[in-house]
Amino acid sequence: DIQMTQSPSSLSASVGDRVTITCRASQSFFTNLNWYQQKPGKAPKLLIDTVYSLKSGVPSRFSGGMSGTDFTLTINNLQPEDFGVYYCQQSYMTPPTFGQGTKLEIK
Amino acid sequence: QVQLVQSGGGLVKPGGSLRLSCAASGFIFSDYYMSWVRQAPGKGLEWLSFISTSSAHTNYADAVKGRFTISRDDADNSLYLQMDSLRPEDTAVYYCARGGGSWFDFDFWGQGTLVTVSS
Repeated sequence: DIQMTQSPSSLSASVGDRVTITCRASQSFFTNLNWYQQKPGKAPKLLIDTVYSLKSGVPSRFSGGMSGTDFTLTINNLQPEDFGVYYCQQSYMTPPTFGQGTKLEIK
Repeated sequence: QVQLVQSGGGLVKPGGSLRLSCAASGFIFSDYYMSWVRQAPGKGLEWLSFISTSSAHTNYADAVKGRFTISRDDADNSLYLQMDSLRPEDTAVYYCARGGGSWFDFDFWGQGTLVTVSS
């Protein structure tokens, strides 16, 4: 199985900040990397698929990137509604695997 | 609009069985792969199973292989998860999810249903 390791596990930031969450894969694959946002008591929401592709309705302050087996989710100009837990996920092979999550708190 | 509405969770004793349902609407259900994903209390997301279009292929996570069975009824736009030989460690919120661009790009999710396995 491909292991996905996220860092940090939690972070606290202020409105207007730029934050970056990193996800490292245990082996190389193509661009089959997704990012989800989950708010308490709710289902995850797909924000970005195939590393870079922002889903419809997702604010443009969210962006994805990659370098080798390292993937990043960047949120520019952090907004109060961006709190929650963020998960990366590889969709390259079965089983699809998720990172352990990064809890984002707004100061 | 796309909707996935789940039902069937609850409290069950260890060794018991439960069947989860996921009713789809707002899209051509038969055109999409579907999966089940769970989340134990306070934990992360764990993929469990997928079923392809026309039910041609299924696959399971090792944790549930041989105990859980995924199925679909395209005429009824419904997805199911039959869970047998349940264990306390199966306690979780269970989500159905649609495979979007690829089989495992989960672009729409059900609201989740809690399964509690306890004596």
